[in-house]
Amino acid sequence: DAKTTQPNSMESNEEEPVHLPCNHSTISGTDYIHWYRQLPSQGPEYVIHGLTSNVNNRMASLAIAEDRKSSTLILHRATLRDAAVYYCILQNAGNMLTFGGGTRLMVKP
Amino acid sequence: DAGVIQSPRHEVTEMGQEVTLRCKPISGHNSLFWYRQTMMRGLELLIYFNNNVPIDDSGMPEDRFSAKMPNASFSTLKIQPSEPRDSAVYFCASSLSRETDTQYFGPGTRLTVL
Repeated sequence: DAKTTQPNSMESNEEEPVHLPCNHSTISGTDYIHWYRQLPSQGPEYVIHGLTSNVNNRMASLAIAEDRKSSTLILHRATLRDAAVYYCILQNAGNMLTFGGGTRLMVKP
Repeated sequence: DAGVIQSPRHEVTEMGQEVTLRCKPISGHNSLFWYRQTMMRGLELLIYFNNNVPIDDSGMPEDRFSAKMPNASFSTLKIQPSEPRDSAVYFCASSLSRETDTQYFGPGTRLTVL
């Protein structure tokens, strides 16, 4: 399975944008890039996913590098409720989601 | 709409006892997943069902663990006999039809084996 590399932790100030990076230099052409997050004491929840083009939804934006070897999850205005562990995961058909260590995002008021 | 429902939310048992965890997936979802999360190993997939049939159980740690899905609205994960190293949070997730569809996770069952 292709692997991802994320920083262990990041800090942000409330109401400022947050850019969470993910490196995936061994990504294959059929791998989708998924982001999930896990709030304290909850199960993971889906955030966003993409293949080649940048994606936006009500929760976040996903910026994918042209060579697809890295991507960035963008939270446009962090709130205290966005404090969570964010997982960047590669997946293609027939393979399961494989969660790594993720990035623990801390949001300061 | 109700999400994935898991019961119990917390379970404390003694080593050697049988433990049964329960999951009700989202109505209409055809894929169901059981995960285990510990500090040491993170979030691991145990087993994946599609249309009530186990497709991938390579993550089931040993024969003490078994999972069933008798119908589309119910699944169980059983540990018999339980051991202290089984202490973890167990999550159930469901998705619409395939392993690549968005997964919706339940709140988890925190299991403590004394």
